Amino acid sequence: GESVGLHLPTLSVQEGDNSIINCAYSNSASDYFIWYKQESGKGPQFIIDIRSNMDKRQGQRVTVLLNKTVKHLSLQIAATQPGDSAVYFCAEKSMGDDKIIFGKGTRLHILP
Amino acid sequence: DTGVSQNPRHKITKRGQNVTFRCDPISEHNRLYWYRQTLGQGPEFLTYFQNEAQLEKSRLLSDRFSAERPKGSFSTLEIQRTEQGDSAMYLCASSLTGNEQYFGPGTRLTVT
Repeated sequence: GESVGLHLPTLSVQEGDNSIINCAYSNSASDYFIWYKQESGKGPQFIIDIRSNMDKRQGQRVTVLLNKTVKHLSLQIAATQPGDSAVYFCAEKSMGDDKIIFGKGTRLHILP
Repeated sequence: DTGVSQNPRHKITKRGQNVTFRCDPISEHNRLYWYRQTLGQGPEFLTYFQNEAQLEKSRLLSDRFSAERPKGSFSTLEIQRTEQGDSAMYLCASSLTGNEQYFGPGTRLTVT
């Protein structure tokens, strides 16, 4: 869902289940996409990236899916662990532009 | 630790005072970025250096803000005549390619 003001969307997942965090990006010219994880009091931590010429990329326990037709990005986390609790941001970047544009974050809450 | 470092981690200042933050990037990274993050929001781009040259500045960067990277290594961000609206987390990131940007822990500024 959309966040308004200071309210972050929250996703609650049972420990051991898979998590799927979704993101809509805005710029059709964006050709590079990144997911960041941010724990409380820390800077964003790079998780995984994907270029626009791909639609899927896998890392360790994480998979990013890109649907350019509907400008949608998702992050799948397999076998969610307590250490996965954080705010997750999707981000986009276009070729020739050096700044990263961050989307609205999603807070992932792990249920015991 | 070979990651991006930032000092100080926290700064409390009175309105009207000047503050300066420092960022030390990953040593071989020639690109350095400053972002600002307010509570519940994703980071927003402020400015970018390639080596010692400041190549882009956001409209968010008012004339009270100045950033330098004199020798192409560490960078400083100064805010003059601080205002309460300047209260935020100031994040520094560095990159070798411009795509994968690695963030430091941030400096949390509180203006009273």
